[in-house]
Amino acid sequence: GESVGLHLPTLSVQEGDNSIINCAYSNSASDYFIWYKQESGKGPQFIIDIRSNMDKRQGQRVTVLLNKTVKHLSLQIAATQPGDSAVYFCAENWGAQKLVFGQGTRLTINP
Amino acid sequence: NAGVMQNPRHLVRRRGQEARLRCSPMKGHSHVYWYRQLPEEGLKFMVYLQKENIIDESGMPKERFSAEFPKEGPSILRIQQVVRGDSAAYFCASSPPGASKETQYFGPGTRLLVL
Repeated sequence: GESVGLHLPTLSVQEGDNSIINCAYSNSASDYFIWYKQESGKGPQFIIDIRSNMDKRQGQRVTVLLNKTVKHLSLQIAATQPGDSAVYFCAENWGAQKLVFGQGTRLTINP
Repeated sequence: NAGVMQNPRHLVRRRGQEARLRCSPMKGHSHVYWYRQLPEEGLKFMVYLQKENIIDESGMPKERFSAEFPKEGPSILRIQQVVRGDSAAYFCASSPPGASKETQYFGPGTRLLVL
């Protein structure tokens, strides 16, 4: 179901390291998934998407992995930079264009 | 290329007043979505509209909330008789026309504060 939470999970990484952010989605019928980045005071910004007929998709410095067997999605960010600090949300598309967002993970970069 | 535009960016209302939030989709986009976000939470779907039609309003509260996307002009999310619990960030997203699922692009949001 849809997630509700008062405290976001936090991932802290060293600048230059790779980051892996995980997401468990809820609807086995979902066939389209998106990762968004949200900086403080801003709207979600599209990062990368993947359709269910794929298990991996790469962008610039980012890779999304989809495991439909366990309903798991991950976002890998290579060579993390200070500008990557944000909250990252996965979203699944439930038919009729409705997006259901995960809880979100706050990524902080240590210098 | 202008992205999704929302105004106002910040809105303060007293309990019982009305709030009107406006959204102009990206050029060429005919699908508009409204989402609500509470602090430290993900976005929650409210409503999906196409020009002059409400397609899915399964996330809209039954009372006080309404949305429209007229043939001309921006989409409007209207909240009547606001209460403190309506305080949140409201985001609009748009996507291009088409039968297949398309990425939704979000605006900067309107932060509503009800006193």
